[in-house]
Parts: sequence; C-alpha cells; structure tokens
Amino acid sequence: QKEVEQNSGPLSVPEGAIASLNCTYSDRVSQSFFWYRQYSGKSPELIMSIYSNGDKEDGRFTAQLNKASQYVSLLIRDSQPSDSATYLCAVLDTGRRALTFGSGTRLQVQP
Amino acid sequence: DTGVSQDPRHKITKRGQNVTFRCDPISEHNRLYWYRQTLGQGPEFLTYFQNEAQLEKSRLLSDRFSAERPKGSFSTLEIQRTEQGDSAMYLCASILAGGGEQYFGPGTRLTVT
Repeated sequence: QKEVEQNSGPLSVPEGAIASLNCTYSDRVSQSFFWYRQYSGKSPELIMSIYSNGDKEDGRFTAQLNKASQYVSLLIRDSQPSDSATYLCAVLDTGRRALTFGSGTRLQVQP
Repeated sequence: DTGVSQDPRHKITKRGQNVTFRCDPISEHNRLYWYRQTLGQGPEFLTYFQNEAQLEKSRLLSDRFSAERPKGSFSTLEIQRTEQGDSAMYLCASILAGGGEQYFGPGTRLTVT
C-alpha cells in the first residue's frame, strides 16, 4: 500500500510569515510530486509540481524535494489570509499515473 | 477554470436510486481519471481511461459502480442502488498520456439521504 503522510493541522501562521508544509511518502520509486490547494467545498487546484531533488520556486511558493529521505515540502512566503486552505500533497504512481494523495494540511493565516 | 467540466455540480438522491455523473476533459487530454473524496480525506483513485479503454479499476469501485468513456471524449460514472456511504465529492481529472500534471474539474457533490 503506497502511502502519503501529512500533518492534518491546522497550521496557524500570522499574515506575512512563512508557512511550511511537509509530506512524506512510502514508494521509493516515485518520481513526480505535486501540491494542490483546496478551498472548502471546492476541487483541488494544482499549484506546484516537482520532479527533481532540490528546490523549485514559483512566485511566493517553493517546493522542496528530497528523494533519499522521501520527503516533500511546500513553503509559502509572505502568507496571506487568502492562502488559508487545505494543502494536499500528491505522488504520481509511475504505472497507472494515478495520484496518491495525503489527507491534507489545513493552513490558517491570521490577519 | 482548468478546462475540465463536470455535471451536475450537486446531486441529492434517496438511498437505492441510481445516479449518473458526467465529465468533459480537456480536449487534447487522452487520459481521464475518476477520484472520490470524503470529508477530511484526500481524493482516492477510482478508475481511469486511456482514450475509450478503461485500464484499471480500484477495489473501492464496487459492482454498483460503472464508468464509460465512449469515443474517448466525455466520461460517465454511474452508481446503482446508492447507499449513504456513497456520499462524497466525485472528481474527474485529465492528463496527456506521459504527462505528469493532472487538472481537476469542479467535482460533483453527491448526498445520499
């Protein structure tokens, strides 16, 4: 059973701070990793993808991947109240190319 | 808007009734996935199609569930004899075969009373 683990939170940060979200996965052969943002009652929205070890930056978002430690993280700089949502970590199954999701971390950004 | 559409957005039905959902993927995407999401959980894989062929079904997909993708375009997911445990958000996503990024539709929220 391939697993993706996330802390359910809530993670509470003040506006303007850096939010750090973490994810571990069990399948050592995984190559593709994604972060989705999900607002309450809405569907997941893709915000970052990462395929290689190291950091990938896109605006206020930075994804970090460490395949040796089977660890993926998402940093959100200058957090805004509009960033308050559940963040889902997902790992792509290399065979069927379906996503395995964690249960999500709820982020609350306090004004 | 990702370009993936789903219909209906909400469905309330009584236990024992049949329901059908539709997904229209991004036009050039040849793979289409169905997921189910319950409260407090991440989406869980149900089944996927490459073009019109259904290539895999999760063990979550009981015999009451059936999915089709005629002509490799839109897809339908039917649930027969609905149960209260079927209440969930049903999500559709599409992707180019060989690609990595899946884009989700808005989902269909099913409530079985």
